[in-house]
Amino acid sequence: GQNIDQPTEMTATEGAIVQINCTYQTSGFNGLFWYQQHAGEAPTFLSYNVLDGLEEKGRFSSFLSRSKGYSYLLLKELQMKDSASYLCAPHNTDKLIFGTGTRLQVFP
Amino acid sequence: GAGVSQSPSNKVTEKGKDVELRCDPISGHTALYWYRQSLGQGLEFLIYFQGNSAPDKSGLPSDRFSAERTGGSVSTLTIQRTQQEDSAVYLCASSPYGKTETQYFGPGTRLLVL
Repeated sequence: GQNIDQPTEMTATEGAIVQINCTYQTSGFNGLFWYQQHAGEAPTFLSYNVLDGLEEKGRFSSFLSRSKGYSYLLLKELQMKDSASYLCAPHNTDKLIFGTGTRLQVFP
Repeated sequence: GAGVSQSPSNKVTEKGKDVELRCDPISGHTALYWYRQSLGQGLEFLIYFQGNSAPDKSGLPSDRFSAERTGGSVSTLTIQRTQQEDSAVYLCASSPYGKTETQYFGPGTRLLVL
């Protein structure tokens, strides 16, 4: 079956660094997406990892270890606007499976 | 260019009534997805259309739920005999080719069943 585990909530202060972890179990794994979802809005694409390693994109980076079934999203120089839910979504040959998301609150 | 659009943005209905939710994907995108998101929950996959292939209906929670995609573009999600537990945000997404592509989400339809 499919199983995705990520923390429910995290808090951090403006300017800090935060790492959101995601562990998953899925058959036929092809890659992993991270999406950002602000309250009351639709999810928007952040990153996609297929190969092991770190993908950096500005303030956001995403890491994948296929052998460990593990990914993390790293957010640097946090801003207030980064307060949102972050959804880990591994996909297999059949479909994209979204986790329940990690709600991040950034405080001044 | 235009993104994914959905209508209505909000729908309030009475238990037992049927509702239709519409999704207009990004022009040229062959793949279309429907998800449901209950308050404070993650996205629950409902159905997936890819080109002219038979849709993947494995996520539909009951036979009260059905979806069509006409002409490979617009899709309609129909919920018959709505129940209070159907209250959720229904999100539509499209991607250029299929499941390995980034999905672009619409704003969603907020359904409330009284």
